[in-house]
Amino acid sequence: GAVVSQHPSWVICKSGTSVKIECRSLDFQATTMFWYRQFPKQSLMLMATSNEGSKATYEQGVEKDKFLINHASLTLSTLTVTSAHPEDSSFYICSARDSGASGNTIYFGEGSWLTVV
Amino acid sequence: AQSVTQLGSHVSVSEGALVLLRCNYSSSVPPYLFWYVQYPNQGLQLLLKYTTGATLVKGINGFEAEFKKSETSFHLTKPSAHMSDAAEYFCAVSGMDTGRRALTFGSGTRLQVQP
Repeated sequence: GAVVSQHPSWVICKSGTSVKIECRSLDFQATTMFWYRQFPKQSLMLMATSNEGSKATYEQGVEKDKFLINHASLTLSTLTVTSAHPEDSSFYICSARDSGASGNTIYFGEGSWLTVV
Repeated sequence: AQSVTQLGSHVSVSEGALVLLRCNYSSSVPPYLFWYVQYPNQGLQLLLKYTTGATLVKGINGFEAEFKKSETSFHLTKPSAHMSDAAEYFCAVSGMDTGRRALTFGSGTRLQVQP
């Protein structure tokens, strides 16, 4: 089946630094990718919709200057957490929509744990 | 606008017993409906999805769900629980329209399977 890969799976960074998370669709092209954030024992909250070749669409309350999203190709979207703070520590999950599949199927990456110390 | 309500944040069943996880949705457009499973510290795995056609959908690991438009429900069932089914389950909805296709998730249901 379709696979979405996220890297890194785990990352620890110091406060004030930036960290980049990659999301790749391995065997399909994804014009649209989504970034979610999940706090412990909570559901997934959509952060932004990433569109290939255009600016991302951010959900209300999500700082676009803090969470930079780039979707430079049909198989890669990146989320950069800039000037990270401990409250940014969370589980970040991306998903990609398989444009070629019927039924609007969306596949999820394995997630990336970010810990800011 | 779309929303998903999962009744019961925790469900506990005995091994071999029926599993029933409830999901109700609201959507202003015809919905696509999904069930995902999340094991600890892992991403989400698609169990099954409803798009159009047959309202009873069969998924992986013996799970199935039935789309009932009149009840705006998409409950997940499995005839016989296995210990390996213990995980967090999320119901999600997406609109069939050509606009937003992000998923809206329910709050999740943690399934415990007792030996």
